[in-house]
Amino acid sequence: DVKVTQSSRYLVKRTGEKVFLECVQDMDHENMFWYRQDPGLGLRLIYFSYDVKMKEKGDIPEGYSVSREKKERFSLILESASTNQTSMYLCASSRQIYNEQFFGPGTRLTVL
Amino acid sequence: EDQVTQSPEALRLQEGESSSLNCSYTVSGLRGLFWYRQDPGKGPEFLFTLYSAGEEKEKERLKATLTKKESFLHITAPKPEDSATYLCAVRRKRGSTLGRLYFGRGTQLTVWP
Repeated sequence: DVKVTQSSRYLVKRTGEKVFLECVQDMDHENMFWYRQDPGLGLRLIYFSYDVKMKEKGDIPEGYSVSREKKERFSLILESASTNQTSMYLCASSRQIYNEQFFGPGTRLTVL
Repeated sequence: EDQVTQSPEALRLQEGESSSLNCSYTVSGLRGLFWYRQDPGKGPEFLFTLYSAGEEKEKERLKATLTKKESFLHITAPKPEDSATYLCAVRRKRGSTLGRLYFGRGTQLTVWP
């Protein structure tokens, strides 16, 4: 079974803090994705990566950056957290670009 | 503009009452339509991939079908444990972002005993 893990299920941070969200997959998948999910807005793509050290912007990259130094790990960074970044953050991975994506359990981030 | 529209937004069924969820899409050149189930507070769980019109996939009480404009998720004799939000997503055949999925906003299904 594919396993995608995320470093925290719940996280509370202060405005202005730098926040790191970590995602690890154990199936040697090429592609990894970061989404946020908000009520009424659905899933929105923040960033994705087709390979190590590669990244592509999604629909809402502003205020975020990513890092992929190893194939299995994809990090989402909030450089200076703001209250409008309070959300559920979901990581996903897929073997090849045309394969289905498998999601992690999510991180519920609250920025105060 | 919306490329994936799911209806209804919410659906309440009595246990055993069969129904269908709809996913209509407007992308040109479909390279896969995906169905996911999401329980509250959890990540989406992959259910099916459909690639061409006429294709069908089944899993327990769920059956997904695909036409050139829409997909249906048929739920036969649902049970309370089928309660969840069902998400539909599509992938384009062409474009600079081949790997990404475009998600609908989901249908929240509640099955009561």
